[in-house]
Amino acid sequence: GDSVTQMEGPVTLSEEAFLTINCTYTATGYPSLFWYVQYPGEGLQLLLKATKADDKGSNKGFEATYRKETTSFHLEKGSVQVSDSAVYFCARFGRGNTPLVFGKGTRLSVIA
Amino acid sequence: NAGVTQTPKFQVLKTGQSMTLQCAQDMNHNSMYWYRQDPGMGLRLIYYSASEGTTDKGEVPNGYNVSRLNKREFSLRLESAAPSQTSVYFCASSEMGQGYEQYFGPGTRLTVT
Repeated sequence: GDSVTQMEGPVTLSEEAFLTINCTYTATGYPSLFWYVQYPGEGLQLLLKATKADDKGSNKGFEATYRKETTSFHLEKGSVQVSDSAVYFCARFGRGNTPLVFGKGTRLSVIA
Repeated sequence: NAGVTQTPKFQVLKTGQSMTLQCAQDMNHNSMYWYRQDPGMGLRLIYYSASEGTTDKGEVPNGYNVSRLNKREFSLRLESAAPSQTSVYFCASSEMGQGYEQYFGPGTRLTVT
């Protein structure tokens, strides 16, 4: 079935370090792809998305490129801040109009 | 705009008790969803409603029922709560179709003892 696999955490980085969180998806069709972020005690909020191959989503310094050839949508940020500490979820739509399928989440902690 | 609202924020139940989690959205979205979040499991879909008048099972529907009361409201009912239903429950809404983001509520933290 449709699934998303993302790197397991937790990930701990120092402030200003480079961040990569890997995400791959099952290659059924060409689904829209998303990264969501969850800050402590809150619901999920959209960070960025890409709707077709080679699209790059970006927001708040984060970027991810839809790679059809490697079925990947890795999240990157050049210089993380303490305020980026959160749980990050990669997600894809299922086939047709079925809802989002989420990865298990990656907890990021950024220390000053 | 309040977005997606959920009530209650916290609830403690005893095994066998029933309760209904309420969700409402003011964005005129067609589709609504209920997820549960457990440590190490990510978000798992319980039920969804693609449009008013329809509901479908998700990945983990056992022990739950839903009602799409109108376009705005989508409730989740636990008829006989079990400790395995201890979780954080999130409601979400979206427009129909690929590419539309889902908007999430703040969650309900449920503990069943």
